[in-house]
Amino acid sequence: SQQGEEDPQALSIQEGENATMNCSYKTSINNLQWYRQNSGRGLVHLILIRSNEREKHSGRLRVTLDTSKKSSSLLITASRAADTASYFCATAFTSGTYKYIFGTGTRLKVLA
Amino acid sequence: DAGVIQSPRHEVTEMGQEVTLRCKPISGHNSLFWYRQTMMRGLELLIYFNNNVPIDDSGMPEDRFSAKMPNASFSTLKIQPSEPRDSAVYFCASSGPGETQYFGPGTRLLVL
Repeated sequence: SQQGEEDPQALSIQEGENATMNCSYKTSINNLQWYRQNSGRGLVHLILIRSNEREKHSGRLRVTLDTSKKSSSLLITASRAADTASYFCATAFTSGTYKYIFGTGTRLKVLA
Repeated sequence: DAGVIQSPRHEVTEMGQEVTLRCKPISGHNSLFWYRQTMMRGLELLIYFNNNVPIDDSGMPEDRFSAKMPNASFSTLKIQPSEPRDSAVYFCASSGPGETQYFGPGTRLLVL
């Protein structure tokens, strides 16, 4: 399967701590995106990183991409209770296509 | 903008019945995606359209599933006949010139 796999499956931290989630995939990618899903709702796009990029920042989010290891990580700094959600990576394997394969997700719980 | 609109939000039906899910993408977006999400299988891409044309339907589980996009502002996903294993949350998403996908709130389907 080309599906990405997130690690850990679940993560529980205290408010103010940093949260790190990892995504691994099996074949070469064109780009990778991270999405958030609050319980019972649709997914919301967080950040996109292309295969020729190594790191991107957006507010409290930092994403890294290591194509040699076929992995990406999402770091949320100074977490808040509102960050409680599931986080998914989505990978596109072919340039010019909009077909993304979503990973299995990491359930993050931030305790106030 | 109202975002991606899906209807109905909840559907309960009996095995064997026809189910039709509807989606209105964001105006101006030219790609539309149908996903299914379950605890066991995660988020699966069923089919996606570009400029109203089906591009990839390899994720459609079987002939009981069909999808149409008669115009740029409307798409349907039909299941006929429905089975209990079709119970899931079905998401529609759209994207514009960029690769970010905007998800609707989902339709929660329960087949008894």
